[in-house]
Amino acid sequence: DMKVTQMPRYLIKRMGENVLLECGQDMSHETMYWYRQDPGLGLQLIYISYDVDSNSEGDIPKGYRVSRKKREHFSLILDSAKTNQTSVYFCASSLYGNYEQYFGPGTRLTVL
Amino acid sequence: QQQVRQSPQSLTVWEGETAILNCSYENSAFDYFPWYQQFPGEGPALLIAIRSVSDKKEDGGFTIFFNKREKNLSLHIKDSQPGDSATYFCAASEAMGYKLTFGTGTSLLVDP
Repeated sequence: DMKVTQMPRYLIKRMGENVLLECGQDMSHETMYWYRQDPGLGLQLIYISYDVDSNSEGDIPKGYRVSRKKREHFSLILDSAKTNQTSVYFCASSLYGNYEQYFGPGTRLTVL
Repeated sequence: QQQVRQSPQSLTVWEGETAILNCSYENSAFDYFPWYQQFPGEGPALLIAIRSVSDKKEDGGFTIFFNKREKNLSLHIKDSQPGDSATYFCAASEAMGYKLTFGTGTSLLVDP
């Protein structure tokens, strides 16, 4: 059963707190992604990971960092969260050489 | 600037009608154009995709019409059903590129 999972699904944090969003996939996909989705803006790419410890910035990396120590797991870290990082965050994965991206169910993050 | 544009922002059709969703792009290097379907509370899922060498792609009741010269494409949803009510994202990628650039989405409502 091909699946991308995200934890937690909902998270409320205070400004200045650290945030850890977790993503897992069971398809052995080499490439993984983090996006954020805001009303009227579609999906914006934050980071892309080509494999373990091989990460590249996307279009809006400022304020975020990532970690990928295992192929099936990709984390998004917000050090000292800001209110403008309130959003829905999606993780996705794809197989090398294949364009199709499989998305997780999303994490709704609210920073107060 | 927005490299992939979608219109209309929202669309309402009656059950059984054909819904037409439009997309245009600026980057001539874009080669792959997927459409993703997203239901509330879920992540986007690939619906149908086309490469720039083709001008039409059909899959069930979904058809993409692609015009490379005009840099635009459209998604036609034939015999729309209430279950097709969702947000549809047009996206684009360069050849052999992993990065997808998403449009801002069209919210489709099919009235029974």
